[in-house]
Amino acid sequence: DAKTTQPPSMDCAEGRAANLPCNHSTISGNEYVYWYRQIHSQGPQYIIHGLKNNETNEMASLIITEDRKSSTLILPHATLRDTAVYYCIVRVASGTSYGKLTFGQGTILTVHP
Amino acid sequence: DADVTQTPRNRITKTGKRIMLECSQTKGHDRMYWYRQDPGLGLQLIYYSFDVKDINKGEISDGYSVSRQAQAKFSLSLESAIPNQTALYFCATSTRDTQYFGPGTRLTVL
Repeated sequence: DAKTTQPPSMDCAEGRAANLPCNHSTISGNEYVYWYRQIHSQGPQYIIHGLKNNETNEMASLIITEDRKSSTLILPHATLRDTAVYYCIVRVASGTSYGKLTFGQGTILTVHP
Repeated sequence: DADVTQTPRNRITKTGKRIMLECSQTKGHDRMYWYRQDPGLGLQLIYYSFDVKDINKGEISDGYSVSRQAQAKFSLSLESAIPNQTALYFCATSTRDTQYFGPGTRLTVL
C-alpha cells in the first residue's frame, strides 16, 4: 500500500469548514483513498473513500487531485464533536488483498468555539 | 445495539496470567480483525480472519493467539501476559471496502 503524509495537527473554528490534506504521491492505479477518524480512545470510524472522482456523503466530502497524488477531506461545518485524529489511508479495495488498513500518525484536528 | 461489541471493556491483570478478549458482531461480515493501539500511535494489526476456517498473522502476532468460533465471534488470547502488552485493543469487521470497529478493550498488565 502507498504511504501517506499528513500534517500532525490542525485547528478549525466551530461552524467553519475543516480542510484536511493528505499526500500520497506513490499511489497506484488500483488503490483507493480512505479516511477514518478516531475520537479519543474510541474505535476508528469510517468517513469516506474514493478512487478518482470526488465523493460526498452525509459526513464529509473527498476531493482527489487529477493526478491522484493528493487529496483533501472536507468537513463542511465543523462542530466540537469533530475533534479527533483523522487518518488518510491508501489501499487496494479488497478482492486481492486481505483488506488490512495501515494507520499512520494521522492529523489531530481540534475544533474550537 | 452496537454492531461490534467487545468484552471486557477494561481489564487489569498481572504478568504471566492468561487473558482472553472477546469480539462479537451482528453485521454478518465474514472478515474480522484484531488491532492494538499504543498511546499516541496508530493501530497495528495482530491477526485477521476471512472466514471461520481462515486465520492469518498480522504485523505483531508474537505473544498472541486467536480463535474464530463462529462467523460472528473472534477471540484474542494472551497466553502469558507481559507489561508491554498494555494497550488499547480493537476488533473490527469488514465488507469488501470498509472496516467497522468495536469500542475497544483497555488492557493493563502489571
